Amino acid sequence: QVQLVESGGGVVQPGKSLRLSCAASGFTFSNYGMHWVRQAPGKGLEWVAVIWYDGSYQYYGDSVKGRFAISRDNSKNTLFLQMDSLTADDTAVYYCARDSRKSTVPPRFDWWGQGTLVTVSS
Amino acid sequence: FMLTQPHSVSGSPGKTITISCTRSSGNIASNYVQWYQLRAGSAPTTVIFEDNQRPSGVPDRFSGSIDSSSNSASLTISGLTTEDEADYFCQSNDLSNRVVFGGGTKLTVL
Repeated sequence: QVQLVESGGGVVQPGKSLRLSCAASGFTFSNYGMHWVRQAPGKGLEWVAVIWYDGSYQYYGDSVKGRFAISRDNSKNTLFLQMDSLTADDTAVYYCARDSRKSTVPPRFDWWGQGTLVTVSS
Repeated sequence: FMLTQPHSVSGSPGKTITISCTRSSGNIASNYVQWYQLRAGSAPTTVIFEDNQRPSGVPDRFSGSIDSSSNSASLTISGLTTEDEADYFCQSNDLSNRVVFGGGTKLTVL
């Protein structure tokens, strides 16, 4: 059974950093592209970032470009999101999601985690 | 481009509802459309992929279609149950393969 379990969320002050993790199990992690998607309170889904199966390609949404970094450790079946220079607008539930393909072209999510809440507040 | 969904729809148990997802520019048929269900307290799930394909485990009460004349995709749920009450999001991609989400539709089963 595919499982994606996010961790690392919490309350952080504006301008600070946070690192999210997503532990994958039940499938061959290194065979799939992975995404981060977020949902701000009362808002819709916003795509954050993607990384290909081997880590060779990463791409970011405009609102996080230059501040967030996606990475993966295939030996540990774990996806990461390093978030720097956080602002209140980054407050959201962050989901990791598996793509149906290695190279995410075109992008399609087939499995999602339950999400981890990040609150940016002083 | 943008994907526009109604903010909310409602229906009675056993009835049928349809949620639309209208593409603002470009042909709806140019890129596949997926539909995701976000139920409170649960991980999101895929209910339709590649316009009209159902993942295994999703009941055949869920169906997807596209209509080039209205440049929109639709999610239809028949035989509504209270378990269908959730937020539904359509998703596609642009020419650079960046993800585009619709704004989401809240389904209430009365």
